[in-house]
Amino acid sequence: DIVMTQSPDSLAVALGERATINCKSSQSVLYGSNNKNYLAWYQQKPGQPPKLLTYWASTRESGVPDRFSGSGSGADFTLTISSLQAEDVAVYYCQQYYTTPWTFGQGTKVEIK
Amino acid sequence: QVQLQASGPGLVKPSETLSLTCSVSGYSISSENYWGWIRQPPGKGLEWIGNIYHSGTVYYNPSLKSRVTISVDTSKNQFSLKLSSVTATDTAVYFCARDPGYSYDLWGQGTLVTVSS
Repeated sequence: DIVMTQSPDSLAVALGERATINCKSSQSVLYGSNNKNYLAWYQQKPGQPPKLLTYWASTRESGVPDRFSGSGSGADFTLTISSLQAEDVAVYYCQQYYTTPWTFGQGTKVEIK
Repeated sequence: QVQLQASGPGLVKPSETLSLTCSVSGYSISSENYWGWIRQPPGKGLEWIGNIYHSGTVYYNPSLKSRVTISVDTSKNQFSLKLSSVTATDTAVYFCARDPGYSYDLWGQGTLVTVSS
């Protein structure tokens, strides 16, 4: 199985400041034939299902604010929230869909400082 | 508006079989998508259970494969999950979701299943 490791487990950021979450996979999730990284990011608020933020590592899902951006390639990825808003308080998960079993990171909890 | 709704018993006894159905509305389950089940134990992270295509092609998590069956009923626009021989560790919120080929873009609200006698 591909192990997804996120860091940090939690972080507190002031409103309007940048939040950065890292995700490392135990093997590359870059598919050579199409040069795509099979990596997605989700946001989950209490009592709600996860919401897809980005896929193919950096493609923002329709309707997602542009303050959310995904980057990285191979086995190292980052989700950046450029200017944290109060509604961004949530747990964030990365997920690889390169090979089954699909696996998720353990989650990163983002709070307001 | 596309919606997914998981339903089934909220309480299952140990050693019995958990059965859930995901009803899809506003979208044909026969479209070019996979459909999946994911679970989340209370206060914990997400675990992938498996995916199914409308043709019946399925992929299971090997950690659950011996106990899991996912099926699709295109006539009812539903897909289902059965998990046998459950224990307390199977207590979780179970989500159904749509996979358009780049992970899950649409999720149901989830249903809590508690395994307890």
